[in-house]
Order: sequence, then C-alpha cells, then structure tokens
Amino acid sequence: QQQVKQSPQSLIVQKGGISIINCAYENTAFDYFPWYQQFPGKGPALLIAIRPDVSEKKEGRFTISFNKSAKQFSLHIMDSQPGDSATYFCAASILSGTYKYIFGTGTRLKVLA
Amino acid sequence: ETGVTQSPTHLIKTRGQQVTLRCSSQSGHNTVSWYQQALGQGPQFIFQYYREEENGRGNFPPRFSGLQFPNYSSELNVNALELDDSALYLCASSLAYGRASSYEQYFGPGTRLTVT
Repeated sequence: QQQVKQSPQSLIVQKGGISIINCAYENTAFDYFPWYQQFPGKGPALLIAIRPDVSEKKEGRFTISFNKSAKQFSLHIMDSQPGDSATYFCAASILSGTYKYIFGTGTRLKVLA
Repeated sequence: ETGVTQSPTHLIKTRGQQVTLRCSSQSGHNTVSWYQQALGQGPQFIFQYYREEENGRGNFPPRFSGLQFPNYSSELNVNALELDDSALYLCASSLAYGRASSYEQYFGPGTRLTVT
C-alpha cells in the first residue's frame, strides 16, 4: 500500500517531442505528489508538485495530470530538450505527521538532438 | 539563500566500521529528512528530524541513527557497516509548521558511501 509504481523505466524522445511518465499509487491517504529531476552525481531537484484537489498543474513546459479515481498521476514534458535528459522520480506523501516521501523507481529520459 | 549542503562528497569505508555524514539545511528550514538511494533506485526514507527530535523512521535498523542540532543541521550515523549500505545518502530540508505539513523538501547533492 505504501508503494508508488512508476513507468516506463526508460524513455527516448526526439527533441521537440512530448515525454510522458506515469505513476500509480494505492494508499488513498496520500495527499501530496511531487516530481523530482535528478542528474548524474546530483541530488534530486523539485520540478513540480500537485495536491489531489486539482486535476492538472502546469509550470512552463512541465505539466502534472492527476486522476484521483484511478489513483494515477503523470508528468508531461512538452517540447522536450536534450537538457531534459535526466532521471525523473515521482513521489507521494501524507502531509501530516511524518511526511516522508515514497518515491517511484525512476524513469531515465534521453532526449535526442 | 543557501541551499542544502552535505559532507563529505564521497567516502570509502570497510565493513564493520562506523561512519558519520553531515547535512546543513537550507536557510530558514527547521526539518531534515535522510534518504538512502541505491544505484538505479529511488530514494528510501531513513528518518526525519524536527526541532532536534526524531519525527518518524523508515524501515531501517537501529544501527542507523541521527542527530539534529539547534541550528537545524543534522548528522546521520551508521554503525557496523555492511556491504549493502553502499549508496548515495541524501539529506532533504523543509520548513514544517508544528509536526504537520510542509510541502516541499529540498535535497542536497548527497554523500556517496562505498563499503568494501
């Protein structure tokens, strides 16, 4: 119940294309869903996050779509660039008590020039 | 605004030894969480400190322990190192209001621990 399942494991996209990464969860108590970007040798950097009271959030080229009934959320990267090549992690958290993040297993994105 | 910093960057230890990793939280943040990230995996929650007290723990044995200091910096101590402890150890800081809720956690660059 504490798992967050992420897919695909790896993704190759042409420059200018749309990258889509999906995550699914079981625990309906989760109420905060961030996405992180991690470059090799670096710590994860917060990209964008959403609460379950909205179905979509957009920040620049990054959009989170959230489907509460299906217990799924996804990250869309529009106009993907070679500089977006990194590993992306979804996470889920409960914003009360110990708000530990449960991370997905990551998606390695490669954007071809 | 100063980001999260961690030291050392890399560390090599022998099985059975003890190690201490350090983290300075982002300016204005009062909560520190520690995560272990094995190669090719997502970070796994170890524990969290809020106002110098442990505020939750993940599925890690007692040989993983921590401290938070009055300036909100933190240490992670691991005793009796095992080969499987080899990983990237990440510290994340956040601002909590009471013991509940703080949305964003900001991660440091991590400490790469290798146990031989």
